[in-house]
Amino acid sequence: AQSVTQLDSQVPVFEEAPVELRCNYSSSVSVYLFWYVQYPNQGLQLLLKYLSGSTLVESINGFEAEFNKSQTSFHLRKPSVHISDTAEYFCAVRDASNAGNMLTFGGGTRLMVKP
Amino acid sequence: DAMVIQNPRYQVTQFGKPVTLSCSQTLNHNVMYWYQQKSSQAPKLLFHYYDKDFNNEADTPDNFQSRRPNTSFCFLDIRSPGLGDAAMYLCATSGSKWGIGELFFGEGSRLTVL
Repeated sequence: AQSVTQLDSQVPVFEEAPVELRCNYSSSVSVYLFWYVQYPNQGLQLLLKYLSGSTLVESINGFEAEFNKSQTSFHLRKPSVHISDTAEYFCAVRDASNAGNMLTFGGGTRLMVKP
Repeated sequence: DAMVIQNPRYQVTQFGKPVTLSCSQTLNHNVMYWYQQKSSQAPKLLFHYYDKDFNNEADTPDNFQSRRPNTSFCFLDIRSPGLGDAAMYLCATSGSKWGIGELFFGEGSRLTVL
């Protein structure tokens, strides 16, 4: 079974500052990794994913995440945040070797961008 | 172009009064999921359908039931809502149970229990 830990429940940051949202997972097998974003009163949207290949993955709105197998981490970063990035961010993991397993979500990190 | 549509977006019910939430999808996906999300918490999987094959999570209360009459629609029935059932209910789909696991979510139905 997998588990996901998001170390920070809330991250306040000023607009145009860089941000890192931390995610660590535990699994005894290879995994697929995801970041989902949830804006207020909406469902979750996929932000980016790591399946295989390059360990650095990017989204269309400037976020990136790096898969670090040795540290079992998949931290999300953005060099300069906007007010519109204010949302809840969920890291999720799925067992890549056992088809049919469900996603396991972390507890979420609320990113609060201040003007 | 909404692909996973949930109705209603907001539902207020009284303690013990049954409620039904609906979900429809235009993606023709085989798998549909229902999640419960309480305030400031991660989504918690209640159950999922692979086609018509129903899969209940072990800790999902009997108070929660689901129906999937066809590929496009799925319903969540809460037979006797309690105060602890107040939450956002999220419907999601995926193309295959054996795929990479990317989920497509609806905007959710927020349930208030009075």
